[in-house]
Amino acid sequence: KNQVEQSPQSLIILEGKNCTLQCNYTVSPFSNLRWYKQDTGRGPVSLTIMTFSENTKSNGRYTATLDADTKQSSLHITASQLSDSASYICVVSEEAAVNKLTFGGGTRVLVKP
Amino acid sequence: DTGVSQDPRHKITKRGQNVTFRCDPISEHNRLYWYRQTLGQGPEFLTYFQNEAQLEKSRLLSDRFSAERPKGSFSTLEIQRTEQGDSAMYLCAGSQQFNSPLHFGNGTRLTVT
Repeated sequence: KNQVEQSPQSLIILEGKNCTLQCNYTVSPFSNLRWYKQDTGRGPVSLTIMTFSENTKSNGRYTATLDADTKQSSLHITASQLSDSASYICVVSEEAAVNKLTFGGGTRVLVKP
Repeated sequence: DTGVSQDPRHKITKRGQNVTFRCDPISEHNRLYWYRQTLGQGPEFLTYFQNEAQLEKSRLLSDRFSAERPKGSFSTLEIQRTEQGDSAMYLCAGSQQFNSPLHFGNGTRLTVT
């Protein structure tokens, strides 16, 4: 069964600090990996999409990495801001499948002043 | 704002009642998805449309659930004879192509009392 596991489940960081979220997956065959940010009470918003050949992609202060060999990804948040408080969801897409998106349970990040 | 609107934002209903939710995607989105999300979990796939054709349904979608997308534009999700276990956030998302980002609406939060 395809699975996406995220860690930690939650974390608290001080404003201005960096943090790294982890995503491990067993989805195969792999097509792409996505990171989404979800504010409380709102729908997820796309941060990055990476295919097999990409091992890093940035979106402002967010940098995602992908190691397709070990089936691991990370999302690094640099110089965190209060507005970064949200859930971050890792989503892996299965190759050639119209709708085989496997969602992780998310990491809840709280940035404190 | 992703351009995907969902209505209503909140719905409280009594067990056994029928409810209907609406999603208006971006006009260019020929692919439309419905997801269900419970607190602290990632979204779970319910169903997928390409234009007006419903191409896939999750086994989570019992016979009490039905979705339509007439003319390939807006979509509706109806739940008949609601149960307390149906309480969740129902998210709609659209995309243009298989590997393009999903644009989520802000969801309809359903509470069944």
